[in-house]
Amino acid sequence: AQSVTQLDSHVSVSEGTPVLLRCNYSSSYSPSLFWYVQHPNKGLQLLLKYTSAATLVKGINGFEAEFKKSETSFHLTKPSAHMSDAAEYFCVVSDPYNNNDMRFGAGTRLTVKP
Amino acid sequence: DTAVSQTPKYLVTQMGNDKSIKCEQNLGHDTMYWYKQDSKKFLKIMFSYNNKELIINETVPNRFSPKSPDKAHLNLHINSLELGDSAVYFCASSRTLGQGKNTEAFFGQGTRLTVV
Repeated sequence: AQSVTQLDSHVSVSEGTPVLLRCNYSSSYSPSLFWYVQHPNKGLQLLLKYTSAATLVKGINGFEAEFKKSETSFHLTKPSAHMSDAAEYFCVVSDPYNNNDMRFGAGTRLTVKP
Repeated sequence: DTAVSQTPKYLVTQMGNDKSIKCEQNLGHDTMYWYKQDSKKFLKIMFSYNNKELIINETVPNRFSPKSPDKAHLNLHINSLELGDSAVYFCASSRTLGQGKNTEAFFGQGTRLTVV
């Protein structure tokens, strides 16, 4: 079965500095991968997705992620953090050969300091 | 024009009661899901339906029973509520594409269930 591991439960950065949220996946086949963001007491919003097209994926709010099959990674980056980026981030893997079962990572809480 | 809507948004109830959470999507999707988010923010899939057919049924107590009257609705009924059922429950939907792929999932705003 597929799974994702988010390597950091909490990341703290200063405003204006780069953001790196790490995600490794495990899947028997070529998966679809997603990053979602959840602001406090809110629902989940899609940031970006990888579905076997370009390996470098651009999302909303300046976020990007790169699919690296050799490293089984899908890390999320942003060149310059804003205060409004403070939230919980989830990496998600979907296995098309397992009923499109979507599995969430444990989440990474991003704190942005002024 | 909410894409995935859940009701109620908040639900406070006593142990032993039976309650339902409703979910509707107006996106024309054919797959719907229920997720449970615990106090540590961990999201765990509970059920998934495709075209009204149950396709994913994780290890959840049989007190939880999903019902899909049509492709646009997936309701969750919970019998004999327990303290440990307190969580935020999210409904989501997606569309199956060709070649086994699916679109991203669109999530509702969540239902915060508190069992006292």
